Amino acid sequence: DQQVKQNSPSLSVQEGRISILNCDYTNSMFDYFLWYKKYPAEGPTFLISISSIKDKNEDGRFTVFLNKSAKHLSLHIVPSQPGDSAVYFCAASEVTGANNLFFGTGTRLTVIP
Amino acid sequence: GAVVSQHPSRVICKSGTSVKIECRSLDFQATTMFWYRQFPKQSLMLMATSNEGSKATYEQGVEKDKFLINHASLTLSTLTVTSAHPEDSSFYICSARGLASEQYFGPGTRLTVT
Repeated sequence: DQQVKQNSPSLSVQEGRISILNCDYTNSMFDYFLWYKKYPAEGPTFLISISSIKDKNEDGRFTVFLNKSAKHLSLHIVPSQPGDSAVYFCAASEVTGANNLFFGTGTRLTVIP
Repeated sequence: GAVVSQHPSRVICKSGTSVKIECRSLDFQATTMFWYRQFPKQSLMLMATSNEGSKATYEQGVEKDKFLINHASLTLSTLTVTSAHPEDSSFYICSARGLASEQYFGPGTRLTVT
């Protein structure tokens, strides 16, 4: 049973525009959420996280929004750059720093120059 | 960020043989390391959690006698796939956690069992 879902397998965005990647989850006990970026033949790289006590966390061009009532989070990248082209995974855990991270299936972002 | 390496990056082995994959934290001491597996078009799935100096904790459905994990030092964990079969072909990724909450991932190992 997939507890973290990324329903869009791919997304294409023009350079300079905003990229919005979405993630939904089903487990109401999740209270810590992360986004990872993955290039081919490499492991995921941590990008940004948010705990459930917040609804927004910003780091440079990356902002994560959390809507707990809808069990939905999104990652906004603005402005998008060609180097952002990668697969983005969202992940969730029940406790900050807990062992078990539940991952979504990923969304492949392509930023078109 | 912290650096985690994996070796080998790719391995092809014959059915019935064993394969060892190493995971190293290069610039920090990892008290806990994790092993994940990713099948094509699926998400990363946690296989087991290993703490330095103690036995690994396996997730439900993961055979501990088939996937042997050793975490002998604060910088090295190994995963041995014993008696590998074609269905074990997958992308295996380790991660390490030091004092911070985030997990730092290795580059992964592509295992192909023929």
